[in-house]
Amino acid sequence: AQSVTQLDSHVSVSEGTPVLLRCNYSSSYSPSLFWYVQHPNKGLQLLLKYTSAATLVKGINGFEAEFKKSETSFHLTKPSAHMSDAAEYFCVVSDRGYGQNFVFGPGTRLSVLP
Amino acid sequence: EPEVTQTPSHQVTQMGQEVILRCVPISNHLYFYWYRQILGQKVEFLVSFYNNEISEKSEIFDDQFSVERPDGSNFTLKIRSTKLEDSAMYFCASSEVAASSYEQYFGPGTRLTVT
Repeated sequence: AQSVTQLDSHVSVSEGTPVLLRCNYSSSYSPSLFWYVQHPNKGLQLLLKYTSAATLVKGINGFEAEFKKSETSFHLTKPSAHMSDAAEYFCVVSDRGYGQNFVFGPGTRLSVLP
Repeated sequence: EPEVTQTPSHQVTQMGQEVILRCVPISNHLYFYWYRQILGQKVEFLVSFYNNEISEKSEIFDDQFSVERPDGSNFTLKIRSTKLEDSAMYFCASSEVAASSYEQYFGPGTRLTVT
């Protein structure tokens, strides 16, 4: 069965410093992986996705993630945090062997300090 | 940019009552989903829907739940007799294609509180 682990429930960084949000997954098949962000009172917005093409994926707002099959990881990074990045971030796996449904990680809350 | 909308944003109901949560998916999308997130827990898949039929459902989606596309725009989730443990945020999503590599577009959610 698919599963997603997000190692940190809360990450706090200072504005202008790098962001690293960690995600590990398990999947029996070749997975597709996504990062979604949720700002307060907003829907889940897609940041980026990996679907078996380039392993380094660039997304919106300066975020990127690298798929590492050997480590079963898909960590999200950003070189310089902005106050507007404060939100909840979800790593999601979708596995061709298991239909259409997304499996979510528990989420990481990112705080950005001035 | 097109977006998924959900109404109401917050619903309070008494245990045993029926509730209907409403969603308007993106207009050219053909696949629709419901997820829920109990406070402090993961977002969990409930059901997917295509061509007026359920295509997949989780073990959470028991006989108390039903989904419907009553017209060309709305997609609804009905809970027949709500329980305290149904209190959660319910997210609707839609996608153009039902393939694992395609993103799903999510609405802002309906917070259901059962008292």
